[in-house]
Amino acid sequence: TQLLEQSPQFLSIQEGENLTVYCNSSSVFSSLQWYRQEPGEGPVLLVTVVTGGEVKKLKRLTFQFGDARKDSSLHITAAQPGDTGLYLCAGGFNTNAGKSTFGDGTTLTVKP
Amino acid sequence: GAVVSQHPSWVICKSGTSVKIECRSLDFQATTMFWYRQFPKQSLMLMATSNEGSKATYEQGVEKDKFLINHASLTLSTLTVTSAHPEDSSFYICSAVELGTGYEQYFGPGTRLTVT
Repeated sequence: TQLLEQSPQFLSIQEGENLTVYCNSSSVFSSLQWYRQEPGEGPVLLVTVVTGGEVKKLKRLTFQFGDARKDSSLHITAAQPGDTGLYLCAGGFNTNAGKSTFGDGTTLTVKP
Repeated sequence: GAVVSQHPSWVICKSGTSVKIECRSLDFQATTMFWYRQFPKQSLMLMATSNEGSKATYEQGVEKDKFLINHASLTLSTLTVTSAHPEDSSFYICSAVELGTGYEQYFGPGTRLTVT
């Protein structure tokens, strides 16, 4: 069983603070995706990383894929209330026809 | 691009009845569609993998006779919850993988099912 562990599970911070969410596994993934989900809606794809050591930036969000492609992190700078949501990482394998293993998620609350 | 729709967005049904949920990829063809179930404040639980023109592959513990999946075309998959019971009440989400890409899943907005 391929498991993805996310930490922390819950995070509550004040607007303007920085935070990092981690996604770790003992498995090597071909690609890794980060999603954000708001209550009552489906997850929205934020980014895909495929190369070990890769860093991608999306405005205030920075995503990093570990060199060994077993772990990833999501860093948010100067968090805003609009960043509130459930963040999910998902690891995929090229041989699995799109099937991904999802982490347990990190519930982020940013207080104004 | 990469828009996935689900219909209905919410449904209330009586115990013992069946409910059909549709998942459509609106602007791309989907090799594969996935059906998930999600409980409050939890991650996604994969129920089954659906490929166009073939039988769905169900995850361990998911009753295939209760959750019927039909993938009739490259843009449509349906999930039918048969003989629904209150414990089937949940948030059901589908996702689709674009033909030729292999790994990125695009999710529908979800369907909230309540069985009374």
